[in-house]
Amino acid sequence: AQSVTQLDSQVPVFEEAPVELRCNYSSSVSVYLFWYVQYPNQGLQLLLKYLSGSTLVKGINGFEAEFNKSQTSFHLRKPSVHISDTAEYFCAVKKYNYGQNFVFGPGTRLSVLP
Amino acid sequence: SQTIHQWPATLVQPVGSPLSLECTVEGTSNPNLYWYRQAAGRGLQLLFYSVGIGQISSEVPQNLSASRPQDRQFILSSKKLLLSDSGFYLCAWSRVSQDSPLHFGNGTRLTVT
Repeated sequence: AQSVTQLDSQVPVFEEAPVELRCNYSSSVSVYLFWYVQYPNQGLQLLLKYLSGSTLVKGINGFEAEFNKSQTSFHLRKPSVHISDTAEYFCAVKKYNYGQNFVFGPGTRLSVLP
Repeated sequence: SQTIHQWPATLVQPVGSPLSLECTVEGTSNPNLYWYRQAAGRGLQLLFYSVGIGQISSEVPQNLSASRPQDRQFILSSKKLLLSDSGFYLCAWSRVSQDSPLHFGNGTRLTVT
């Protein structure tokens, strides 16, 4: 079965520090990969996606992620965080040519401290 | 550009009462439509998805149902709410293409009392 793991449920970090949010997945077939951000009482907003090609993808708000096929990982990074980056972050995967089933990780709560 | 509307934003309903949440998408045709539930402190649970009018797939057995009366309209319903139905309900859409991401509405906070 397909699954997505986000090992860190909470990540506190000081403003202007770098951050990495980890995502690992298990799948026997190729997948598409996504990161979403959710601010309190709002829906999820797409940060970035990996479909194919370059393994380093850049998204909105200065975030980037790197796909590592051998480690089945898709970690999200930002070199310098802002207070406004405080939110919940979700990693999601979708199998190639396998219907419409997106599988989401449990989320990581990023808290940026002043 | 495409937009997704979901309403109401918040709802407080007594146990045993009916439920109707509505979602509409603008700016695209024949989208795939989804209902997710997010319980407090937990991830997203797919409830229903639809690839066309009248075509509904249920992922989790429960007292909720979904309908798609029009191409860009998706409705989540219940005849009798349970306390366990409380949560944050999210509607989403995607294009038919396999590599299309999900695009979410702003959600409905449902509290069953």
